[in-house]
Amino acid sequence: AQKVTQAQTEISVVEKEDVTLDCVYETRDTTYYLFWYKQPPSGELVFLIRRNSFDEQNEISGRYSWNFQKSTSSFNFTITASQVVDSAVYFCALSSSNSGGYQKVTFGTGTKLQVIP
Amino acid sequence: DTEVTQTPKHLVMGMTNKKSLKCEQHMGHRAMYWYKQKAKKPPELMFVYSYEKLSINESVPSRFSPECPNSSLLNLHLHALQPEDSALYLCASSHRTSTGELFFGEGSRLTVL
Repeated sequence: AQKVTQAQTEISVVEKEDVTLDCVYETRDTTYYLFWYKQPPSGELVFLIRRNSFDEQNEISGRYSWNFQKSTSSFNFTITASQVVDSAVYFCALSSSNSGGYQKVTFGTGTKLQVIP
Repeated sequence: DTEVTQTPKHLVMGMTNKKSLKCEQHMGHRAMYWYKQKAKKPPELMFVYSYEKLSINESVPSRFSPECPNSSLLNLHLHALQPEDSALYLCASSHRTSTGELFFGEGSRLTVL
């Protein structure tokens, strides 16, 4: 069975602070995919990043960066110089490939980030 | 703007009503999904259609009936719902591979009285 743990339920930071959202996963599959999604108050989940299990290279996209470490089964997400628009619920997610042509995704419980102006 | 469109955005219905939620995407995706999300919880998978065929039904009660008329449309028919079915219903789609990300709509917020 797959499991994704986001231990931080809610985080509050002051604007311009850096913040890291933690994600720990469990899977027995050797090939798997990790994702981060952002859910603003409007409700739509917005895809942020996908990582393959065989690619541990960290990634930076503007103010966002991701640290993938297979040794600790973690896929952490850092926002640098946070802004009020970053306020949202962030979900870490895990899936494995299958022959059905669809995604079977396990979501973490989410971390609510509040950026205070 | 989202490329997955859901209607209506808000729906209030009584327990004896019949209503439908609609979802449309024009990205050429061949997998479409219905998720249910309660407040402060992650989305829960309900149904998956792959190439217009129902691939997954996560033991959803029969008062929820999905339909995939074609590769761009996905419906969720609602009948005799309970107040505990009140939630945000999210539609998503993905490319035909099993490794791509999900594209979500903004959801339909359902209240059952």
